[in-house]
Amino acid sequence: GQQVMQIPQYQHVQEGEDFTTYCNSSTTLSNIQWYKQRPGGHPVFLIQLVKSGEVKKQKRLTFQFGEAKKNSSLHITATQTTDVGTYFCAADTGGFKTIFGAGTRLFVKA
Amino acid sequence: DTEVTQTPKHLVMGMTNKKSLKCEQHMGHRAMYWYKQKAKKPPELMFVYSYEKLSINESVPSRFSPECPNSSLLNLHLHALQPEDSALYLCASSQDLAGAYNEQFFGPGTRLTVL
Repeated sequence: GQQVMQIPQYQHVQEGEDFTTYCNSSTTLSNIQWYKQRPGGHPVFLIQLVKSGEVKKQKRLTFQFGEAKKNSSLHITATQTTDVGTYFCAADTGGFKTIFGAGTRLFVKA
Repeated sequence: DTEVTQTPKHLVMGMTNKKSLKCEQHMGHRAMYWYKQKAKKPPELMFVYSYEKLSINESVPSRFSPECPNSSLLNLHLHALQPEDSALYLCASSQDLAGAYNEQFFGPGTRLTVL
């Protein structure tokens, strides 16, 4: 079935370093969403990308959607301890179902 | 009100028990979802309701029975569960199913333990 591959599985960074997580699909995606889940919390919507080649920014977070709409990335500049959590991409496969990537767990050392 | 509420927060049940999880939203959303999440895993879609009708059942065992009494409420009835069903059960809602309106708002979840 449809899968969305997400890497890396986890990443440890020193506070102030940058962080990037990637999602890839073998098929074209209708759109892609990004969620953040803090430890012990629930997923919280960050952003949705719909257009080919789209780039959106939220303060230190930059989201990109590939030209072929098969891949996406989330980049955090100068991480802070408040960025700790698991970042999930989630793709709408066009069948009204949202499929989540495996997630990238971010650990930030002060 | 941009909140999805879920009750109870925690639930411990035996394999012969019958219990229900409840979810409520007052954002006027027309789509509601049940997800199951195991530790260190992504949410796994179980059911989707659209306009109070079941749209998607991801081949979930019949010991899980969803119900949508009205547009604001979503229940998940549990019966004869197995220990491997222990997980965090998340409810979510979105304005609509498809297109540009499917940003999902998640509730805090019910942490279920089956003994």
